[in-house]
Amino acid sequence: QKEVEQDPGPLSVPEGAIVSLNCTYSNSAFQYFMWYRQYSRKGPELLMYTYSSGNKEDGRFTAQVDKSSKYISLFIRDSQPSDSATYLCAMSVPGGYNKLIFGAGTRLAVHP
Amino acid sequence: GAVVSQHPSWVICKSGTSVKIECRSLDFQATTMFWYRQFPKQSLMLMATSNEGSKATYEQGVEKDKFLINHASLTLSTLTVTSAHPEDSSFYICSARDPPADTQYFGPGTRLTVL
Repeated sequence: QKEVEQDPGPLSVPEGAIVSLNCTYSNSAFQYFMWYRQYSRKGPELLMYTYSSGNKEDGRFTAQVDKSSKYISLFIRDSQPSDSATYLCAMSVPGGYNKLIFGAGTRLAVHP
Repeated sequence: GAVVSQHPSWVICKSGTSVKIECRSLDFQATTMFWYRQFPKQSLMLMATSNEGSKATYEQGVEKDKFLINHASLTLSTLTVTSAHPEDSSFYICSARDPPADTQYFGPGTRLTVL
């Protein structure tokens, strides 16, 4: 079993839809949770960063962490074609060198 | 967010030559940088952790003599692929740790093609 599980998709939605992306994990020591967006042939871009449990909102993006269920989510409201990319969840434990454990990435396509 | 640059963005070389890739943190000091490799439609694979002023820590299965990493300053880490072969062709991405946020910011990546 992988430490972080993420459905690779692809996920195809119409413009304006609400998108829900999810990851589950097995290591209860994870405290930092991140979502990255990666366009084709580009480096990942940090979208959301959350410490421990709770919700965080930034514009059209909302990140949720449920540590009791070992489950994290990223919601995208009013999705746009420009949101078409691969979304990677990542997490780490405190201390050490902040080595990130990534999910497989979910490919999202938002069509007009 | 913090900015990390990589140079070159792409490189084509002949088999047997060495290639150096630079990773710079432009607006913060990074005591720790990371090097990843990514194959098409796959997630990132951590190759090594680079700490300023000390030897890099390589992940299991990564040849340290083939992938030389140097982190000589707080803003620069380099990855040298020595005696490159076609199987080394890949997308190489670096990241830099931003201590206050305790997260990583990624460079734009370098596409290496070995003929």
